[in-house]
Amino acid sequence: QQQVKQSPQSLIVQKGGISIINCAYENTAFDYFPWYQQFPGKGPALLIAIRPDVSEKKEGRFTISFNKSAKQFSLHIMDSQPGDSATYFCAARGSSGGSNYKLTFGKGTLLTVNP
Amino acid sequence: KAGVTQTPRYLIKTRGQQVTLSCSPISGHRSVSWYQQTPGQGLQFLFEYFSETQRNKGNFPGRFSGRQFSNSRSEMNVSTLELGDSALYLCASSAGTGGRGGYTFGSGTRLTVV
Repeated sequence: QQQVKQSPQSLIVQKGGISIINCAYENTAFDYFPWYQQFPGKGPALLIAIRPDVSEKKEGRFTISFNKSAKQFSLHIMDSQPGDSATYFCAARGSSGGSNYKLTFGKGTLLTVNP
Repeated sequence: KAGVTQTPRYLIKTRGQQVTLSCSPISGHRSVSWYQQTPGQGLQFLFEYFSETQRNKGNFPGRFSGRQFSNSRSEMNVSTLELGDSALYLCASSAGTGGRGGYTFGSGTRLTVV
């Protein structure tokens, strides 16, 4: 059972454009939602994270929007740059002490930013 | 400070053999989690160790096992390798269990089973 669904699988945007990646989750016990960025040959790196008590978090050009009632969250990359070309993963983690107290990842979005 | 170190980076094994992968976490991090990454299934959780104890386990067969040493270094072992075990195996360290404080991933071990 896929607990975190991510879309689209791939995304091509022009330099300066906005990249939007969406995720939906099923488990209402999830309480921590990070996004990871992965370059070829490297492990994923934490980009930004949010908890369900806030609806939006911004760090530089990266923004997470969170909709608790819809069980959806998204990553917006403003002014996308060629250096942002990478695979992006959303993830979710359950409450402490349970079997879901681990990161469950979406299947990833390959972002290509054309110059 | 040094990041998460995984060795070896690449490995080719024959079906039926066993393999041991190693992970050295960031200094001070006591939690080590292992993930399998494949194009089809993405990142799948294998298990997590904290203070030498397995704290959580994913849905993988018993051929996949791990352990953690007193210095927090961790190893994972896969016995009786199958072709489907070919994957990138990633180790992630964190200060607390469940990725508390944020995971830091290593660059992974690319395992190819032939």
